[in-house]
Amino acid sequence: GNSVTQMEGPVTLSEEAFLTINCTYTATGYPSLFWYVQYPGEGLQLLLKATKADDKGSNKGFEATYRKETTSFHLEKGSVQVSDSAVYFCALGASGGSNYKLTFGKGTLLTVNP
Amino acid sequence: DAGVIQSPRHEVTEMGQEVTLRCKPISGHDYLFWYRQTMMRGLELLIYFNNNVPIDDSGMPEDRFSAKMPNASFSTLKIQPSEPRDSAVYFCASSGTVLAKNIQYFGAGTRLSVL
Repeated sequence: GNSVTQMEGPVTLSEEAFLTINCTYTATGYPSLFWYVQYPGEGLQLLLKATKADDKGSNKGFEATYRKETTSFHLEKGSVQVSDSAVYFCALGASGGSNYKLTFGKGTLLTVNP
Repeated sequence: DAGVIQSPRHEVTEMGQEVTLRCKPISGHDYLFWYRQTMMRGLELLIYFNNNVPIDDSGMPEDRFSAKMPNASFSTLKIQPSEPRDSAVYFCASSGTVLAKNIQYFGAGTRLSVL
């Protein structure tokens, strides 16, 4: 079945540091890949997505590239801010058919200190 | 659009009581999902609906849990009787349209505490 493995947290960085959160997946076919972010006390919200191999999703300075050869979708940001402190979830959406389920990773807590 | 609306935001109840959580999906969305989030297990999919019909309830932990979607704009998740181990944050999410497949929009969640 489908699965997502993401980097264990927590991750603590200083403001303006470089961020990488690793995510790898197992799936059949050509899934869509997502990063969701959950700020304290809120629900998850979509951060970025990629629907096919070599696509790069980007939003708010975050980027992730769909790498089929390494089955990865690592999240990166060149310079984090305190306001980026949140839990980040990597997710996979099944390809084809009418399956709208998402498979989520366990989440990575990021804390950015001033 | 107001987004996915969940109520109540917080619920405190005693063991054995019935608990009903409510969700209003985004208008026009035809998929609705119920999740549970805990520190131990992370985010778990409990059940999801398509056009008000339950499609997959394999994540529902036991018979004490039930979910309904009587119409396109309303769903409930009921726990009867509640137990302390049901304490968690429960999220509702909706999605729809072929072009935006797999993009789920989450509500703010209901934090349930069972004493």
